[in-house]
Amino acid sequence: QVQLQESGPGLVKPSQTLSLTCTVSGGSISSGNYYWSWIRQPAGKGLEWIGRISTIGTTDYNPSLKSRGTISADRSKNQFSLNLSSVTAADTAVYYCARLTYKSSWNWFDPWGQGTLVTVSS
Amino acid sequence: DIQMTQSPSSLSASVGDRVTITCRASQSISSYLNWYQQKRGKAPKLLMYAATSLQSGVPSRFSGSGSGTDFTLTISNLQPEDFATYYCQQNYNTPFTFGPGTKVDIK
Repeated sequence: QVQLQESGPGLVKPSQTLSLTCTVSGGSISSGNYYWSWIRQPAGKGLEWIGRISTIGTTDYNPSLKSRGTISADRSKNQFSLNLSSVTAADTAVYYCARLTYKSSWNWFDPWGQGTLVTVSS
Repeated sequence: DIQMTQSPSSLSASVGDRVTITCRASQSISSYLNWYQQKRGKAPKLLMYAATSLQSGVPSRFSGSGSGTDFTLTISNLQPEDFATYYCQQNYNTPFTFGPGTKVDIK
């Protein structure tokens, strides 16, 4: 059973870079019909897809991030990471990592990590 | 981007009730629609994919219907553990987008 766990600083200063890591257990990030994604949720609000990385390292991102996001993978550690630059208070949210499963042309997010709260404040 | 809307934004129901939540896409998304359940302080959990397919392990009281722009999630015989917020999500194209959520609470 695949499990995901986010880790990283809970507090980031404005204008700095937010860095989070998702550790995957029970399965390899390098195989299968999967992408690996980041999704965030500001307190009391809805869900926003940030971006994804494929098993071979191709990435794409939500244009709403205005090119501030970078997702990378460390296959030796079975981890993938998110860097979000030039953060502001608007980036304060619970950040989730999730597996994006593809079956034929369908896809869905499952499972998800438990989430980690990142607060942007000086 | 494809905009997703949901109605109602919240509802109150009793155990045993039948509950229907509606999701609408700003353009046709065929059946590329997923539903998630989120309980307070927890990560979302996949309920339905491809609009009508029940995720393994999810109780059969959950069902989904629709295609194109209009979709519904129905919970028949509402149980105490079903009180949560429900989100729809389109996977027709990127950026993947979610609806604003429907909170189901106890009447």
